[in-house]
Amino acid sequence: KQEVTQIPAALSVPEGENLVLNCSFTDSAIYNLQWFRQDPGKGLTSLLLIQSSQREQTSGRLNASLDKSSGRSTLYIAASQPGDSATYLCAVRFSRNQFYFGTGTSLTVIP
Amino acid sequence: DTGVSQDPRHKITKRGQNVTFRCDPISEHNRLYWYRQTLGQGPEFLTYFQNEAQLEKSRLLSDRFSAERPKGSFSTLEIQRTEQGDSAMYLCASSLEGLRGLAGGPIKSSYNEQFFGPGTRLTVL
Repeated sequence: KQEVTQIPAALSVPEGENLVLNCSFTDSAIYNLQWFRQDPGKGLTSLLLIQSSQREQTSGRLNASLDKSSGRSTLYIAASQPGDSATYLCAVRFSRNQFYFGTGTSLTVIP
Repeated sequence: DTGVSQDPRHKITKRGQNVTFRCDPISEHNRLYWYRQTLGQGPEFLTYFQNEAQLEKSRLLSDRFSAERPKGSFSTLEIQRTEQGDSAMYLCASSLEGLRGLAGGPIKSSYNEQFFGPGTRLTVL
């Protein structure tokens, strides 16, 4: 059974710090991996999509990497800001038809 | 097009009643997904459509749940005889699936990227 795990479940950092969020998955034969943020009571906002053939993607202060052989992805956030406070979710597409989310990392950036 | 929209945003119902939710995807997207999310958990996949065809259903989708996408555009999710355990946020997402855009156009960098709506929060009393 495919599983997606995100550690830590919660993270609190001072403003300006660089940080890394982790996502691990059980099957290296993935189709793609997508990172989202979710604000309380809201839907999900797509941050970055990494296709199976890619190693990383960048958008602004965000950088996501993918290592299929070790079953891991990381989301790097540079120079964190209070507005980055949210829950960050990792979603793995294991095949054309199987989609699994992690339980998320709740990030708090302290001003 | 402003993104994926869902209606209603909130629904409170009594146990045993039927409810129906609507999702309008991004207009050029050929795939539409339904997920359910409970507090403190990540979304759980329920079902998805490729155009009007329902191609996959999770075992989470009991017989009381039915989804349709009759014309390959908007979709509805109906829950019959609601139970308190159905209380959750129901999320809809859409994506453009395939190596090429519609009409054989150039490959889009965002193909297969899922875009989510704001969700419908269901409370069953």
